[in-house]
Amino acid sequence: DTAVSQTPKYLVTQMGNDKSIKCEQNLGHDTMYWYKQDSKKFLKIMFSYNNKELIINETVPNRFSPKSPDKAHLNLHINSLELGDSAVYFCASRGPDTQYFGPGTRLTVL
Amino acid sequence: SQQGEEDPQALSIQEGENATMNCSYKTSINNLQWYRQNSGRGLVHLILIRSNEREKHSGRLRVTLDTSKKSSSLLITASRAADTASYFCATEASYNQGGKLIFGQGTELSVKP
Repeated sequence: DTAVSQTPKYLVTQMGNDKSIKCEQNLGHDTMYWYKQDSKKFLKIMFSYNNKELIINETVPNRFSPKSPDKAHLNLHINSLELGDSAVYFCASRGPDTQYFGPGTRLTVL
Repeated sequence: SQQGEEDPQALSIQEGENATMNCSYKTSINNLQWYRQNSGRGLVHLILIRSNEREKHSGRLRVTLDTSKKSSSLLITASRAADTASYFCATEASYNQGGKLIFGQGTELSVKP
C-alpha cells in the first residue's frame, strides 16, 4: 500500500549513458513532481505535471525529459548522463495541502 | 536564488531537551511546511501553517510564522533520539506556481541519548 514509489532505488552508470527512473502514486492525485537533492542536501524542483500535462519546467537541461503516460505515473528519462547529474531524485505527488514524497533514487554517474 | 535559508545548519542536543530551527524565505506564500528526512530516506510531511496563521501545534511540534519578517520556526519539545534527522522548511508561493515547493537548506538535528 505504498503511496509514492520509485524504481530503481539505486542507479550507478557511466557518463554518456541514458537512464530512466520510474515513479508511481496510488493516491489518486492529479499533480506530480520531480525534485533533485544534491550532495549538500539542497532540494530543488525540476518538473511538475498536472493530469499528464507539463506545468513546471525549472530550466532543467533538455537532456532531462519527463513523461507522464497517465496521472498516476511520472517517469524521468535522462540522456547523455554527466557527472553533475549525480544526486538523489525524488518524485512527489500533491494532495490537498501537502506533498507526498517517494523514497528517492540515488543516481551515481561514474 | 529562491532557496530559503535555515539555521542552524546543524544542531546537537541531549534527549529531553528542546530543539528550535529557524527558516527564512523570500516570496509571498500560501503556506509554509516542515518536512523531516531520515538518513537515506524520503521526506515526511510534519506540519503545515497557512499564511494567515501565526502558530500551530501538532504533538511535540510547535510552528510559528511571521509573514512580516518572512520567517518561521519549528520547535520540537522533549526531543528523543528518534528525532535525529534533517528538517526542511518549504514554502508554497501565493502566485500560481503549480503548487511547487521551495525548500530551505535544512537543519541536521542530532539528539544524543
